[in-house]
Amino acid sequence: GQQVKQSSPSLTVQEGGILILNCDYENDMFDYFAWYKKYPDNSPTLLISVRSNVDKREDGRFTVFLNKSGKHFSLHITASQPEDTAVYLCAAGINQGGSAKLIFGEGTKLTVSS
Amino acid sequence: GGIITQTPKFLIGQEGQKLTLKCQQNFNHDTMYWYRQDSGKGLRLIYYSITENDLQKGDLSEGYDASREKKSSFSLTVTSAQKNEMAVFLCASSMSGANQDTQYFGPGTRLLVL
Repeated sequence: GQQVKQSSPSLTVQEGGILILNCDYENDMFDYFAWYKKYPDNSPTLLISVRSNVDKREDGRFTVFLNKSGKHFSLHITASQPEDTAVYLCAAGINQGGSAKLIFGEGTKLTVSS
Repeated sequence: GGIITQTPKFLIGQEGQKLTLKCQQNFNHDTMYWYRQDSGKGLRLIYYSITENDLQKGDLSEGYDASREKKSSFSLTVTSAQKNEMAVFLCASSMSGANQDTQYFGPGTRLLVL
């Protein structure tokens, strides 16, 4: 089964709005959670990440919330802009053996309309 | 800064053919990864390697082989290409240590099997 799942394949929001992207995971051993952003025909790049010892991390307009008991984490984007239009991939992993093996979700395609 | 290069950029193969994809990184990262990206399925891990000559299976290793010839290079072989297969293969690398979790992706190799 899918270990990391994004329930919304696509989302549209008006420019300036607030949006929430959701991600659920199955393995309670995961201790690292990330959101990657991917523009069309480009490679994914890390947007924001959090370790399991905190439940929130903020970076400008982007905040990730972690709910360990619910095996859920989310990305909140405020004051959305057209350049936020991209595919957002959530990922979770376990640090073992000196590297993080990440499991990615299917992606949510976000469109910010002006 | 550093860069990840993948060759070839486009690969057209025949059914049953053995195909090799190459990846080089100059970040001096310890860990390298191969992912397959299919539409609507996010990124799925094929193989990863935490050091030279190491090889670890991902969730999608069947039908593939990989080789970490040296620290800077990681190659992936499709052992027998499947007819009408179409996917993007992404190579990534990450550093071991405090920032080990951020993965940096290459531009991808686009595969089409006729």
